[in-house]
Amino acid sequence: KNQVEQSPQSLIILEGKNCTLQCNYTVSPFSNLRWYKQDTGRGPVSLTIMTFSENTKSNGRYTATLDADTKQSSLHITASQLSDSASYICVVSDGGSYIPTFGRGTSLIVHP
Amino acid sequence: DVKVTQSSRYLVKRTGEKVFLECVQDMDHENMFWYRQDPGLGLRLIYFSYDVKMKEKGDIPEGYSVSREKKERFSLILESASTNQTSMYLCATLQGASRQPQHFGDGTRLSIL
Repeated sequence: KNQVEQSPQSLIILEGKNCTLQCNYTVSPFSNLRWYKQDTGRGPVSLTIMTFSENTKSNGRYTATLDADTKQSSLHITASQLSDSASYICVVSDGGSYIPTFGRGTSLIVHP
Repeated sequence: DVKVTQSSRYLVKRTGEKVFLECVQDMDHENMFWYRQDPGLGLRLIYFSYDVKMKEKGDIPEGYSVSREKKERFSLILESASTNQTSMYLCATLQGASRQPQHFGDGTRLSIL
C-alpha cells in the first residue's frame, strides 16, 4: 500500500532560524512529489513539484530535495518568518492515477 | 491570478438534508477535485472530474455524488447528510500531467447537526 510519512508532526522554532521537514514515501512507481503550504483556514498552496530526475528545487526561502533511491524528500526553510507558521504537506503520485498519496502534514510554528 | 472559488466558507446543515457545495474555477482547467480534510487524517479524495460530465470515484465516495455540467463548475452533493460528514471540504483544479491538484479553494467548513 502506498504511504507517505511526514516528520516531525509538529515543530516550534524561533524567527530567523532554519528548519527542515521530512517526507518518506513508499509510493511505487514514483512519478512526482509536491510540497504544499497550508495556512490556517485556507486551502493548500503549492510550493514545489519534483520529478524523478530532479533532486533540488527552490522557491524563495523554500528548498525541496528529493532522493529517489532512498524515497525521501525534505523541505528546508531558510531564515524563517512569522508568516511561515503553517502546515506543510507532502504529496506523492505514482503516475498511474489521479489519486495521489497525501502525508498528514507537519505543523510549523514560528515564534518571534 | 488563478482563482478557485467555493460558494460558502461556513455551512451548517441538519442530518438528512441534501447539501450542495459549489466550486467555480476561472483557469479553464480540465481536471477538478473534491477533497475532505479531517484532523489527523490529512486530505482524502472524494471524487474528481477530468472533463465535462465525466467523473471518477476517489478514496471515499460513499454518501457523496458530484455534478459537472460546465467546465468551470464542479458541485459536490451530500445526498442525505450525516454527522460523520462534518468536515472541511476543499475543491481543487489541475492542468497538466502531474496528477496532483495545483490550485485549491479556501474550503467550506461544513457542520452537520
